[in-house]
Amino acid sequence: AQTVTQSQPEMSVQEAETVTLSCTYDTSENNYYLFWYKQPPSRQMILVIRQEAYKQQNATENRFSVNFQKAAKSFSLKISDSQLGDTAMYFCAFMKPVGGNTGTASKLTFGTGTRLQVTL
Amino acid sequence: EAGVAQSPRYKIIEKRQSVAFWCNPISGHATLYWYQQILGQGPKLLIQFQNNGVVDDSQLPKDRFSAERLKGVDSTLKIQPAKLEDSAVYLCASSLWTGGDSPLHFGNGTRLTVT
Repeated sequence: AQTVTQSQPEMSVQEAETVTLSCTYDTSENNYYLFWYKQPPSRQMILVIRQEAYKQQNATENRFSVNFQKAAKSFSLKISDSQLGDTAMYFCAFMKPVGGNTGTASKLTFGTGTRLQVTL
Repeated sequence: EAGVAQSPRYKIIEKRQSVAFWCNPISGHATLYWYQQILGQGPKLLIQFQNNGVVDDSQLPKDRFSAERLKGVDSTLKIQPAKLEDSAVYLCASSLWTGGDSPLHFGNGTRLTVT
């Protein structure tokens, strides 16, 4: 079974600064997907960024980027130029790939989350 | 496009009572998920549907929880009877198909409090 560990329950960063959230995972799979989701107080889970394990290049989405270290099973999220709207819970998640419309389950396994507070 | 709709937003019930949650996924999404998120934890998958068939309900407490997806569109999740430990946020999500290349879209969830 896959497990996802987020060792930082809470983080704080000043507006415009950079912060890195840590995530490690355990799997015997070689191909898989990793995700970072943001959950603001509205409770809706919002996809921030996605990484395919077979890609060596780290994914980036505007101010968000990841440092994917496959051998170390590490997947950290870097938020640059932090904004007040980035305040939220951030969840790291793992999914084993299943191709297409096969009807086979592909469970998304979440970590316990990191609460990020962006301050003035 | 319209997002995943869930109702109600909040629900408070006493233990041993019954409760039902409703979810309307994004139009055209074949896969629908119900997650349970206990305070301070990440979401845990309860059940996954592909169209109107169940593909994973391994973590659904079947003695008290049930779910159905009528005509492969809307879904309801029911708890009967509720226990104190069922207090949580229940999140519904949908995706075009099953797989990491088809992102999950989540609703705003239903916060259940069992007293």
